[in-house]
Amino acid sequence: QKEVEQNSGPLSVPEGAIASLNCTYSDRGSQSFFWYRQYSGKSPELIMSIYSNGDKEDGRFTAQLNKASQYVSLLIRDSQPSDSATYLCAVSLFSNTGKLIFGQGTTLQVKP
Amino acid sequence: GAVVSQHPSRVICKSGTSVKIECRSLDFQATTMFWYRQFPKQSLMLMATSNEGSKATYEQGVEKDKFLINHASLTLSTLTVTSAHPEDSSFYICSAPGGRGDYNEQFFGPGTRLTVL
Repeated sequence: QKEVEQNSGPLSVPEGAIASLNCTYSDRGSQSFFWYRQYSGKSPELIMSIYSNGDKEDGRFTAQLNKASQYVSLLIRDSQPSDSATYLCAVSLFSNTGKLIFGQGTTLQVKP
Repeated sequence: GAVVSQHPSRVICKSGTSVKIECRSLDFQATTMFWYRQFPKQSLMLMATSNEGSKATYEQGVEKDKFLINHASLTLSTLTVTSAHPEDSSFYICSAPGGRGDYNEQFFGPGTRLTVL
């Protein structure tokens, strides 16, 4: 069983719609959760971090965490073609080590 | 803030040669840095943890004698791929945690694309 799982997609949404990206993790001791965006040929860029159950909003992005279900999601409102990228979910098992386990990523395509 | 640089961005070398990649935290100090490798269409795989002032910690299956890591200062870590072969061709990315004061947040360098002929 993979430690961090994502649907590889592609997930295709029309411009202006809400894109919903999901991630599950296997280790209940996981402490910290992150969403990174990676454009083709580029390195990952941190979008959101979330540490406690519930929602965290930052602009058009909302991260949701449910530790009981071992589930993290990222919502992108008013999707733009520039949001088209691979979104990586990352989980840290221990706080203050910086060590991350990545999912395989979900490719998002936003169509004009 | 929280900028990590890498050099070179791209390198092509002949099989059997060694290649050094530098990773620098530009506006913060990093006692720990991480080195990842990413093959096409795959996710990031952690290779090793670089520790300032001590030996690097390698992930299972990563040859420490082939991938030499030196954390020379609080802002610089280097990865040397020794005796490179075509199967070492990949996208190598470093990261450093704590750039925004939260040690759990990692920031990535722009990556180095290595092609071994």
